[in-house]
Amino acid sequence: GAVVSQHPSRVICKSGTSVKIECRSLDFQATTMFWYRQFPKQSLMLMATSNEGSKATYEQGVEKDKFLINHASLTLSTLTVTSAHPEDSSFYICSARDNTPGLSGYTFGSGTRLTVV
Amino acid sequence: GESVGLHLPTLSVQEGDNSIINCAYSNSASDYFIWYKQESGKGPQFIIDIRSNMDKRQGQRVTVLLNKTVKHLSLQIAATQPGDSAVYFCAENRAQFYFGTGTSLTVIP
Repeated sequence: GAVVSQHPSRVICKSGTSVKIECRSLDFQATTMFWYRQFPKQSLMLMATSNEGSKATYEQGVEKDKFLINHASLTLSTLTVTSAHPEDSSFYICSARDNTPGLSGYTFGSGTRLTVV
Repeated sequence: GESVGLHLPTLSVQEGDNSIINCAYSNSASDYFIWYKQESGKGPQFIIDIRSNMDKRQGQRVTVLLNKTVKHLSLQIAATQPGDSAVYFCAENRAQFYFGTGTSLTVIP
C-alpha cells in the first residue's frame, strides 16, 4: 500500500530558530500533499495544501510567511516553521493521495512532534 | 456503547461489545467521507470510506452509515477489542479533507 514517510518524528528547537519537516511519498507520486496541525486532545486542522511546482494554498488564519511550504518534486513536500515560538509547539502531520485508480483515501505520515523551548 | 460526537467526546465499551461512534458533518456538498483511527502519538490510519451515493458500507468488523438528510455519519465496530482503543475521526471531502472533532474510544478488558 501507499506509504508516506515524515521526518523527523520529534524535534526540539529554541525560540527564534527555524525547523524543517519533510514529507515523502515512498512508492507513489503525489502532486498534492496536505499539512495538518494537531494540538493535544484536539482534531487535525488543515494548514495548507501543497502543490507540486506551484505555490501552496493556505487555510484562513495560517501565516504563509511563518509556515513555508515547498513541494519541489512529486515525492517530497517540506514545511518550514520559521522563527519558531513556544505556541508553535504541536503535532504536525502530512498526508498525500495516491491517484492510482481503485485506491481510496489519503495516506498520512506518522507525524512530527515539535517542541519549541 | 454509542457516542454523539461533540457532546460526548469519550466512549468506553466492554470488550466484545459493539461500538457506535457518531459524527455530524457540516457541508451538504461533501461527496466523500472517511473514518480514521489515530493512536496516541501517531498519524491517522484509514479505516473505511463511503461516497455520498451510498448509505452503507461494510468492512472487516466495521460498518459506516451515511445519512445525507441530516448530515450524519456513524462508524460501527463489531466485537470491540482492546486494540480498537484510539481516537476516531470522521473526515469530509470538500476539495481537501476536513476532520471532525474526534471521539476517544476506550475498550475495557
